[in-house]
Amino acid sequence: QQPVQSPQAVILREGEDAVINCSSSKALYSVHWYRQKHGEAPVFLMILLKGGEQKGHEKISASFNEKKQQSSLYLTASQLSYSGTYFCGTAPMKTSYDKVIFGPGTSLSVIP
Amino acid sequence: NAGVTQTPKFQVLKTGQSMTLQCAQDMNHNSMYWYRQDPGMGLRLIYYSASEGTTDKGEVPNGYNVSRLNKREFSLRLESAAPSQTSVYFCASSPTSGGPYEQYFGPGTRLTVT
Repeated sequence: QQPVQSPQAVILREGEDAVINCSSSKALYSVHWYRQKHGEAPVFLMILLKGGEQKGHEKISASFNEKKQQSSLYLTASQLSYSGTYFCGTAPMKTSYDKVIFGPGTSLSVIP
Repeated sequence: NAGVTQTPKFQVLKTGQSMTLQCAQDMNHNSMYWYRQDPGMGLRLIYYSASEGTTDKGEVPNGYNVSRLNKREFSLRLESAAPSQTSVYFCASSPTSGGPYEQYFGPGTRLTVT
């Protein structure tokens, strides 16, 4: 089942903060975050694993609440380059971590 | 390294025609994936291959077939194209051995079925 993302869209001014949420109705093993700029391929941001391990870019902050099957991506002091669509992907089981199902995306626009 | 390459970049098909989308990676990755992306739907997994010689269905496999030709190449075939298959198709690869790692995406193929 596809995870749910909120908000669907957000507009920020440079320097403002934003939080993008991702939730699933299933127990999760991993949550994956990607950003896609218009007309380009998605680019990896972070993976959060059950048990607390994280893999990703140091400048990106995210959390994973295993009990609630929720993850949040924190974008602080936003820059124009943060604009794009953010996708979360989820994998329910350690044995099927290849099968990542992505949410519909959150469109983020940062304006001067 | 070229990373993940896809051919063609653009394609227009008539309903009922067939075609194969090609994908190759030069990063020695075990896993490869095919996604389609439609407005408002995000990325939907069509098929994936966890290793050479294995393939498995994703969320939306109907109307597609795949072949993991070798470790480098993973092709997606549309046997009889339908307008509902108009989409942007992305191929991706990932190391995955020992746990989930980031997926590297190709530039995409824009397919229009008329």
